[in-house]
Amino acid sequence: ETGVTQTPRHLVMGMTNKKSLKCEQHLGHNAMYWYKQSAKKPLELMFVYSLEERVENNSVPSRFSPECPNSSHLFLHLHTLQPEDSALYLCASSQDWKSGNTIYFGEGSWLTVV
Amino acid sequence: ILNVEQSPQSLHVQEGDSTNFTCSFPSSNFYALHWYRWETAKSPEALFVMTLNGDEKKKGRISATLNTKEGYSYLYIKGSQPEDSATYLCAFNTGRRALTFGSGTRLQVQP
Repeated sequence: ETGVTQTPRHLVMGMTNKKSLKCEQHLGHNAMYWYKQSAKKPLELMFVYSLEERVENNSVPSRFSPECPNSSHLFLHLHTLQPEDSALYLCASSQDWKSGNTIYFGEGSWLTVV
Repeated sequence: ILNVEQSPQSLHVQEGDSTNFTCSFPSSNFYALHWYRWETAKSPEALFVMTLNGDEKKKGRISATLNTKEGYSYLYIKGSQPEDSATYLCAFNTGRRALTFGSGTRLQVQP
């Protein structure tokens, strides 16, 4: 059983669609993250939330819109995406976002934009 | 922009071989260095968190060393097994922002 669960695991969407990725952590952590893994690139940090407040936003296009309603849940709302946005999106959590605590990852959501 | 580099990019070894890979990171503003193992179709899993210069951590056949003054860490696997096949990621932390990951070393162990 994983402490961080992501749904859906696979998503295919058209460029005009609106969809959302969901993440839930059962570890009692204060920080949650969205990472993007594209082919042959390092894991790219997209957003960090600490106690429901967004604390990092790494120049991510506005077609990706995060939402953190509470410290256990994190969403990534997707709209008017491009084919190059196809990637693995990983959610993660940790006790604190700055102090080097271990990060616990979900299994990821594979997104294909057609 | 923090530069975290890992080498080699990929590695193929035979079962029983010992192997090692490198993670290079900025030597200034060091706070912590993480190693993660990422098996196919699974989530990345933490191996070590290292904070002190000269630190050495061990977990079974896997160990890691840290040199913060020169900005590198080595990960060693003794007597590689097929189940060690995975991508090994290192990540650097300054204590002021979230982790920065390297591109990883993809290890394939042939039976």
